[in-house]
Amino acid sequence: DAKTTQPPSMDCAEGRAANLPCNHSTISGNEYVYWYRQIHSQGPQYIIHGLKNNETNEMASLIITEDRKSSTLILPHATLRDTAVYYCIVTPRAGSNYKLTFGKGTLLTVNP
Amino acid sequence: NAGVTQTPKFRVLKTGQSMTLLCAQDMNHEYMYWYRQDPGMGLRLIHYSVGEGTTAKGEVPDGYNVSRLKKQNFLLGLESAAPSQTSVYFCASSYGGKGSLTTEAFFGQGTRLTVV
Repeated sequence: DAKTTQPPSMDCAEGRAANLPCNHSTISGNEYVYWYRQIHSQGPQYIIHGLKNNETNEMASLIITEDRKSSTLILPHATLRDTAVYYCIVTPRAGSNYKLTFGKGTLLTVNP
Repeated sequence: NAGVTQTPKFRVLKTGQSMTLLCAQDMNHEYMYWYRQDPGMGLRLIHYSVGEGTTAKGEVPDGYNVSRLKKQNFLLGLESAAPSQTSVYFCASSYGGKGSLTTEAFFGQGTRLTVV
């Protein structure tokens, strides 16, 4: 499985955009980029995923570079409730090799 | 719609005791997972299953066993609990079948296990 590298922590002002980077330089052609977050003591929550095109949903946007070696999760208007650990995961979509392996993620702190 | 339900939510065990954690999902998902999370750490995969009757080891399988006899249930067993197994355990499930548009995983709320 491709490994991911994320900064351990980031700060963001409430109401501003939060841009969380992830490096996945060894990603292979059939692997997707997934983002999850974990609010304190709760089970992780799916945010978004993509293969090579940029994706947007009601929670966030995902920007994947053309060479697919890195991506950025964007929370357009961060709120205090977005304070959480954000995990970037690379994995095939399905099949016997599919599994979700979490790293340490990025602790995003949204400040008032 | 309950999603992923873990039983129990809290448990205290004495060293050497055994117990089984139950994970149940009502979404007809193929894939199920067990993770542990220690303070200040990310989630580490213990075991996972890509379908009924199948199991596979994750990155920290020692001291645990699993079974997936029914598609909706994934059991995690500790045969002889040790203090090092004190942790929060999370179960998850995802669809993952052929033609699936997403393999978004849904997580339970966790089981807080203390081994004394």
